[in-house]
Amino acid sequence: EVQLVESGGGLVKPGGSLRLSCVASGFTFSDVWMNWVRQGPGKGLEWVGRIKRSVDGGRTEYAAPVKGRFTISRDDSKTMVYLQMNSLKTEDTAVYYCSTDFSRTYFGSWGQGTLVTVSS
Amino acid sequence: EIVLTQSPDTLSLSPGERATLSCRASQSFSNSYLAWYQQKPGQAPRLLIYGASNRATGIPDRFSGSESGTDFTLIISMLEPEDFAVYYCQHYGGSPPSFTFGPGTKVDIK
Repeated sequence: EVQLVESGGGLVKPGGSLRLSCVASGFTFSDVWMNWVRQGPGKGLEWVGRIKRSVDGGRTEYAAPVKGRFTISRDDSKTMVYLQMNSLKTEDTAVYYCSTDFSRTYFGSWGQGTLVTVSS
Repeated sequence: EIVLTQSPDTLSLSPGERATLSCRASQSFSNSYLAWYQQKPGQAPRLLIYGASNRATGIPDRFSGSESGTDFTLIISMLEPEDFAVYYCQHYGGSPPSFTFGPGTKVDIK
């Protein structure tokens, strides 16, 4: 059974930084592209970015609102994916989910999410 | 960038009834990169339908998807108590990649 467990969320001031982690199990992690998706309070879903497999160079792609501020990385030996968030803004407040890629076009399995609150 | 519009905002139905949810794209696209997700309160979304009409693994056959041009439909043939949730549609546009979600339709108990 696929399991994804996020951690690292919390309260941070505008301009601050936070690193989220997601540990995966139940599948061959190194074979899978991984995504981060967020959901603002009472809002819909927004793709944040993704990281390809290490054999694909581990290349990353980001949504425009976070490009240049957020960085996704992975550690296949630990089956973990990370989201480093810098220069945080109040509009980054959301529950952040990690998810597995499905056919490069959808989101297959999801974690339960971790809440990030950006507020002074 | 494609914009997805979902209707209605809320659908109030009783268990056993048929639910018809709509997702309209602002422009046509050549592939069928359209998915539907179910999200219950306090839970993560779950992939139901991909490629507009293919059920994901483990999804009951009371869920079905279809497309007609820029209009996509999710049908739940007979609502079970566990089906009351919010449903989102999602489109993928490649190079550079973009993932667009609709605003969601809430199916609640009448």
